Amino acid sequence: EAGVTQFPSHSVIEKGQTVTLRCDPISGHDNLYWYRRVMGKEIKFLLHFVKESKQDESGMPNNRFLAERTGGTYSTLKVQPAELEDSGVYFCASSQETDGVGTEAFFGQGTRLTVV
Amino acid sequence: GQNIDQPTEMTATEGAIVQINCTYQTSGFNGLFWYQQHAGEAPTFLSYNVLDGLEEKGRFSSFLSRSKGYSYLLLKELQMKDSASYLCAVKRTGGFKTIFGAGTRLFVKA
Repeated sequence: EAGVTQFPSHSVIEKGQTVTLRCDPISGHDNLYWYRRVMGKEIKFLLHFVKESKQDESGMPNNRFLAERTGGTYSTLKVQPAELEDSGVYFCASSQETDGVGTEAFFGQGTRLTVV
Repeated sequence: GQNIDQPTEMTATEGAIVQINCTYQTSGFNGLFWYQQHAGEAPTFLSYNVLDGLEEKGRFSSFLSRSKGYSYLLLKELQMKDSASYLCAVKRTGGFKTIFGAGTRLFVKA
């Protein structure tokens, strides 16, 4: 069974440009999460999808970030325009939990974004 | 608010036992995760504690005290491959948000 896959693995862009990150969750997982880890800091929650609906987007830093999950399958996270402080590793995770009880989330390898 | 504290780094010797502590303060507690993350790789699930007490899984054990807001991860018979970051994470009630600590980097030396 394929795990959570993220694309690209690395991205280097200039300040002001646009970047789109993609996440393919494990098949059948309704819950999809985006997290970000800035250098030296903890992994921080960005948002959570249940199928195609945004359940919680309280962690999104600002309106330069836009996440979508059309059809409830893969998800994209767009940063437009990118700023230097957006550099970090963006993780996607998916899980099967359906009632708020914790079950393990499976993480992707992450996308390392560098804004120069 | 919420806060999760764990030591930044620890060093231990191959074959030894190491305990990684985690304290947390959060509004609404549903359970506590431990994840292992090797450099450049995805975090991988180790354990999930909901009730107080110790849960053992092979060389790894995880303990939780909800009243004290405290957990630890115990690694026995350390191996070189155990060198990694260990992330403590709290799942909050009323939703699915999981709050991560900054992680503890464990160095296992020969």
